[in-house]
Amino acid sequence: DVVMTQTPVSLPVSLGGQASISCRSSQSLVHSNGNTYLHWYLQKPGQSPQLLIYRVSNRFSGVPDRFSGSGSGTDFTLKISRVEPEDLGDYYCLQSTHFPFTFGSGTKLEIK
Amino acid sequence: EVQLVETGGGLVQPGRSLKLSCVASGFTFNNYWMSWTRQAPGKGLEWVASITNSGGSTYYPDSVKGRFTISRDNAQNTLYLQMNSLRSEDTATYYCTSGNWFAYWGQGTLVTVSS
Repeated sequence: DVVMTQTPVSLPVSLGGQASISCRSSQSLVHSNGNTYLHWYLQKPGQSPQLLIYRVSNRFSGVPDRFSGSGSGTDFTLKISRVEPEDLGDYYCLQSTHFPFTFGSGTKLEIK
Repeated sequence: EVQLVETGGGLVQPGRSLKLSCVASGFTFNNYWMSWTRQAPGKGLEWVASITNSGGSTYYPDSVKGRFTISRDNAQNTLYLQMNSLRSEDTATYYCTSGNWFAYWGQGTLVTVSS
């Protein structure tokens, strides 16, 4: 199985500041079709997860451009600039290149 | 507006069965893969099952393979998860998700496996 190592576990950040979350996979996430199926989600307290970024760097509908995704192969990053109160919660990465699909263990974004 | 509404959760004894349903609306259901993902209380997310848009192929992790069955009724825009031989470690909120990158999520339904 592909192991997704997500860091940090907890990320204190100041409002208006920048946050960066890393997700590393135990093997390349490049599919045989050339696409890379690495996605990012935010789960706000008491809510269902919501998609932020799909296929490494594509912002989902309605997601502010403060959120950006980058990376390739086995090393991926989610950046959040100008953090707002509504950004707080748990962030997860997901790889859907290889079965079984696997999530990172999560990063809790909290106010410093 | 896309909506996914899960039902069927509840308290069940170990070894028993339960069937979850997810009614979809707001998109062309039979164009998309569908999946189930779960979250144990206070824990992270775990993928449970996926099914192709036609229903012709299904996929599971080893933790549920042979016990859980995902299926769909495209005429009724409904996704199912039949869960047999339930264990305490299956206790979780189960989410229905749509698409290849889980674009939309339902509100979840809680399954508690306990005697």
